[in-house]
Amino acid sequence: GIQVEQSPPDLILQEGANSTLRCNFSDSVNNLQWFHQNPWGQLINLFYIPSGTKQNGRLSATTVATERYSLLYISSSQTTDSGVYFCAVEQRGGSNYKLTFGKGTLLTVNP
Amino acid sequence: DTAVSQTPKYLVTQMGNDKSIKCEQNLGHDTMYWYKQDSKKFLKIMFSYNNKELIINETVPNRFSPKSPDKAHLNLHINSLELGDSAVYFCASSPAGRSGYTFGSGTRLTVV
Repeated sequence: GIQVEQSPPDLILQEGANSTLRCNFSDSVNNLQWFHQNPWGQLINLFYIPSGTKQNGRLSATTVATERYSLLYISSSQTTDSGVYFCAVEQRGGSNYKLTFGKGTLLTVNP
Repeated sequence: DTAVSQTPKYLVTQMGNDKSIKCEQNLGHDTMYWYKQDSKKFLKIMFSYNNKELIINETVPNRFSPKSPDKAHLNLHINSLELGDSAVYFCASSPAGRSGYTFGSGTRLTVV
């Protein structure tokens, strides 16, 4: 099956700093999403981004599908950005659709 | 208006019991899923249903039985609960590959 690798596994920032999270995947995909799991355990969909660049406030994401990677940028980080960031990809095989997750990046933003 | 809702949010039960988790989505999506998140936060698919039909069963023990009475509901029944079943279970739905997946808020199951 497809492999999804995220880096770094852990990241500690001071409030106000910027960061880049990376997701590499081993095969072509038709869907890629970034999620934030907050400290209460909720999985929040940040971006649906199989290719190209999107921005939402302080967050932006870029996927280069031909090179099989995606980047999530967090600017001017806040303590509420803390949590685990997951990259997940979908390959379509016949009628089988499923999202395969990376192991996540644990982000801690200190005041 | 919650898009994907799961109940209960927390479930504490003894080994050997049988329990169910319910999931409903109001997005009109065709496909629903159950994912398990283990203690290391790794998320792995368990089942998927497309229009009430089982599509994916990822080598899950047959103590786990999903049931989809209609395409808006996917419930998970677990028999003879074991300590290793303790995890967070997430329900999700998608419009079958055309855009993104939406996840419920999770059910934290603790088996004691």
